[in-house]
Amino acid sequence: GAGVSQSPSNKVTEKGKDVELRCDPISGHTALYWYRQSLGQGLEFLIYFQGNSAPDKSGLPSDRFSAERTGGSVSTLTIQRTQQEDSAVYLCASSFGEGTQYFGPGTRLLVL
Amino acid sequence: QQQVKQSPQSLIVQKGGISIINCAYENTAFDYFPWYQQFPGKGPALLIAIRPDVSEKKEGRFTISFNKSAKQFSLHIMDSQPGDSATYFCAARRADSSYKLIFGSGTRLLVRP
Repeated sequence: GAGVSQSPSNKVTEKGKDVELRCDPISGHTALYWYRQSLGQGLEFLIYFQGNSAPDKSGLPSDRFSAERTGGSVSTLTIQRTQQEDSAVYLCASSFGEGTQYFGPGTRLLVL
Repeated sequence: QQQVKQSPQSLIVQKGGISIINCAYENTAFDYFPWYQQFPGKGPALLIAIRPDVSEKKEGRFTISFNKSAKQFSLHIMDSQPGDSATYFCAARRADSSYKLIFGSGTRLLVRP
């Protein structure tokens, strides 16, 4: 079956531009997570969606970052006014409730 | 404040040897400890996981050892193979904190033929 998919796979942008990253979770999964992986580092939690509950935004590093999940399925992570320190791999994961988190391949973002 | 500390940063093992990666945590509220394997250009994939009421879990060549009193857990890869060469992440999760995973910094494993 289809896993978690993310698009684009790579994104190069100029400092100050806005970017949108997309995540398609596994069908039927109720929970969706965004993580960020900086070069040579572990994964850093950004945001969590579970059903119709209010999202846990506690990991978002600044107000330039936002995310939404439409219809309980697809999610978009938006970074406004990108900075060079935003360069990283952005990973999306989904799970059925508290079950195993399945990760997508990530979007590699490079801010010039 | 890093809540899960992982070591070593990198590890080189000969084929057939045992690879050992260690993690330590601080928060006693963690109730689930997974290990993820990541190949270059791919997302992490769950390898094996353990809960704190068990001291050891084995799946094939992979074993987690868990020491609740010391707040430490480790991954042992027996009979390591070149195909095991990847980056390994330990993680921890609190049931009362949106099930988000707190990851260690990763261990890059290279298994020489």
